[in-house]
Amino acid sequence: AQKITQTQPGMFVQEKEAVTLDCTYDTSDQSYGLFWYKQPSSGEMIFLIYQGSYDEQNATEGRYSLNFQKARKSANLVISASQLGDSAMYFCAMREGAGTYKYIFGTGTRLKVLA
Amino acid sequence: EPEVTQTPSHQVTQMGQEVILRCVPISNHLYFYWYRQILGQKVEFLVSFYNNEISEKSEIFDDQFSVERPDGSNFTLKIRSTKLEDSAMYFCASTRDSYYNEKLFFGSGTQLSVL
Repeated sequence: AQKITQTQPGMFVQEKEAVTLDCTYDTSDQSYGLFWYKQPSSGEMIFLIYQGSYDEQNATEGRYSLNFQKARKSANLVISASQLGDSAMYFCAMREGAGTYKYIFGTGTRLKVLA
Repeated sequence: EPEVTQTPSHQVTQMGQEVILRCVPISNHLYFYWYRQILGQKVEFLVSFYNNEISEKSEIFDDQFSVERPDGSNFTLKIRSTKLEDSAMYFCASTRDSYYNEKLFFGSGTQLSVL
């Protein structure tokens, strides 16, 4: 079974609008972390935002926010006021807390911002 | 912000040859990782490493792969006899500790092409 599922292979958004990128996860651990990374066409992996399983507030980092719904096991990334430079691949990732030393990534969503 | 450094950025090799990919993790980080990404698709975990030992490895990380920390700063991935399907972007990453809330810092990657 997939631990991290990103169901949107590609999305378009108009410049200055908000967009939500979906991510669902599967774990039986109580302690875990959820991460979003951006990969522009240049290839580097850029950390965007983190949400811990015990965090009661949704994480925010500038124009990025994470809509964390623990009961639904979803951790959607919201980008507000999209910019052309937001066009990139976006990966959701999870790190479980018990007995593992790996971060598991989803298949990614390619976002294209339209002028 | 401190960086993970990878060299070379591109490597071309002939099938059956050995390659060594090099990484310098962030200096105060203790946990090191290799990931690979084929054709800009899913980011796949290969191996994690701590205290000169492999902490965890994936099914991909078979006997043709090995990792080493030859000195106090470098972390290397060796592929003994490269195959065409080893062509991918290889990312080195590091974390300060092993907790689930640790941000994974990536290097800029080595694009390996096996001919």
